[in-house]
Order: sequence, then C-alpha cells, then structure tokens
Amino acid sequence: GAGVSQTPSNKVTEKGKYVELRCDPISGHTALYWYRQSLGQGPEFLIYFQGTGAADDSGLPNDRFFAVRPEGSVSTLKIQRTERGDSAVYLCASSPILAGVGDEQFFGPGTRLTVL
Amino acid sequence: AQSVSQHNHHVILSEAASLELGCNYSYGGTVNLFWYVQYPGQHLQLLLKYFSGDPLVKGIKGFEAEFIKSKFSFNLRKPSVQWSDTAEYFCACSSGNTGKLIFGQGTTLQVKP
Repeated sequence: GAGVSQTPSNKVTEKGKYVELRCDPISGHTALYWYRQSLGQGPEFLIYFQGTGAADDSGLPNDRFFAVRPEGSVSTLKIQRTERGDSAVYLCASSPILAGVGDEQFFGPGTRLTVL
Repeated sequence: AQSVSQHNHHVILSEAASLELGCNYSYGGTVNLFWYVQYPGQHLQLLLKYFSGDPLVKGIKGFEAEFIKSKFSFNLRKPSVQWSDTAEYFCACSSGNTGKLIFGQGTTLQVKP
C-alpha cells in the first residue's frame, strides 16, 4: 500500500520567505509526527498530532514554526520568515493507534529545505 | 531530559565481519527502544524495537539488539554483515504518552565487498 508521502521533495527559498511543507500520512493513521534532521545529526522531534489536535508541540524551535492538520489526515508545516539555520530535511511520520506509545512510526522521504 | 548517544559515528567493515553498534540512553523511567535504518536514497525504516519482555530482540535482515537496563544500553548486533547493510543506523527511545522519538546522532556503516 501507499506509504507516507511528502511534498515537495526539495524546496529552495530565500531568507525571510514563507514556506509550507506537506505530509500525507498512511490512510487511517491517527498519529502524525514532524521531525527535523540537520546534516550529520539524527532527527529531532518538532510536533505530534493525535487526530486534528497538536498533542505535543514542545519541539517547535520558535513561533516562526507552526503546523496544522485540520481534517485529521494531511498535515502542513509552515515556516515564516525563514532563516538560513532552518535549512534541513523535514521528516513526517505516521503511526496507527491512538496513543502512539511504542508503535512503529512510518517515515516519509522528507522535504529538503534550503534557505539561501 | 531524555537523550540517546551512539558511540560510533562511522564504522567500516569487510563483508562477513561481525557488527556491534553501541547505543546508550538517559532516562530513569520506562522506555521503548528502537533501531531505525536508512539505506542510501531511501527513507527511515524500522529494524527492531523493544517494549518489554525478553531483552534480546530480533529484527529484520538478521539484526538483533539486547536491552541491558543496568547499563542503559541497547546495542545493535549482526554476526555477519553484507555489502547491502551499508546504511546509516539510528538508535531511538520514546516514553510517556506521545510516542515521540528521541534519536541518537546516527552511525554510518560502510561494508566493503
């Protein structure tokens, strides 16, 4: 079946611009996660959705970052006034059950964001 | 705060050599532990996971890991590596009721044919 998909696969933008990154989770998965992976590092947690609500947004680095999941499926990560330090691969993952604890997370291919 | 450390950043082995990648976590409570792998050009995928029970966990492709609670460790092993095991390996843990993963910084494994 279809896995997690993310669009675009690559995004190049200029400092100060606004970007949106999209994630389509596996159908029926209620838990959705965003991570950010900088070069040479492991993924870092950003935000977790259970259904439509952000259950844990403790990983968002500042208020320039925001994410939504209005209908409980597709999610969009939004970054305002981008900075060069935002350059990274942004990963989305989904998981089937409600609590998400201990479940396998299925990762998408990521969006590589480059801020010039 | 939770953290995960992987001791080996870059490992080079010849085919048929044995592999052990170190992973330590810091958290005093109950944790779930994972190893994920990222093959060149592919996305992260799960190798194996530990929730409870038998501390020796077997995963895909002949990999296994042992949870040693007293050492806060979850090392990954494979008795005989293949060229196709060339990839980046990430150890991760989760706890609480969100399932969010805390990753180590990864180990790049290069297997020479």
